[in-house]
Amino acid sequence: EPEVTQTPSHQVTQMGQEVILRCVPISNHLYFYWYRQILGQKVEFLVSFYNNEISEKSEIFDDQFSVERPDGSNFTLKIRSTKLEDSAMYFCASSEGKETQYFGPGTRLLVL
Amino acid sequence: QKEVEQNSGPLSVPEGAIASLNCTYSDRGSQSFFWYRQYSGKSPELIMFIYSNGDKEDGRFTAQLNKASQYVSLLIRDSQPSDSATYLCASRYSGAGSYQLTFGKGTKLSVIP
Repeated sequence: EPEVTQTPSHQVTQMGQEVILRCVPISNHLYFYWYRQILGQKVEFLVSFYNNEISEKSEIFDDQFSVERPDGSNFTLKIRSTKLEDSAMYFCASSEGKETQYFGPGTRLLVL
Repeated sequence: QKEVEQNSGPLSVPEGAIASLNCTYSDRGSQSFFWYRQYSGKSPELIMFIYSNGDKEDGRFTAQLNKASQYVSLLIRDSQPSDSATYLCASRYSGAGSYQLTFGKGTKLSVIP
């Protein structure tokens, strides 16, 4: 069964450093998303991406965040200058249409 | 402000019993509703979605939607210890170009053998 994959599974970085989280969505899916979940809190939407552009973003997704689909398979989330409060689990998701979003296993980001 | 509310639990049920998980939402523009299961430290796993009033059954799971009351529920029949997890309710707004899911905090379910 096809699944969303994410790398790395864990990332530790120093405050102020740039990080890139990578995702490979399910191959025939057209919509891609990033969510995050701070430990013990709810899953929060960051951004959605369709047809090579951002279709929607939340207040969390400020100028420090960017997304890119550099080739036909990868979908990346970049955080330019990490803050302590960026420590969270970051989930990539994809969907064929609007309804069913399938989540990847996540990248646990720890900012020191 | 779109909000999805869930009782955080824990909800404890004996093995073989029916577990009933509930969710309310604030935005009447919400169109579709999703139940995800999340094991500790893992990612959300889709169980089922519903967008019409009434019941929708899939194996041991039944989702119920009442748009007038802004209420969604998930029933798990013949609960198993492997069903022990946090269950996340999520809504999707019906606006054009809107794809984001709004999640509740989740209800922790514990199935006691």
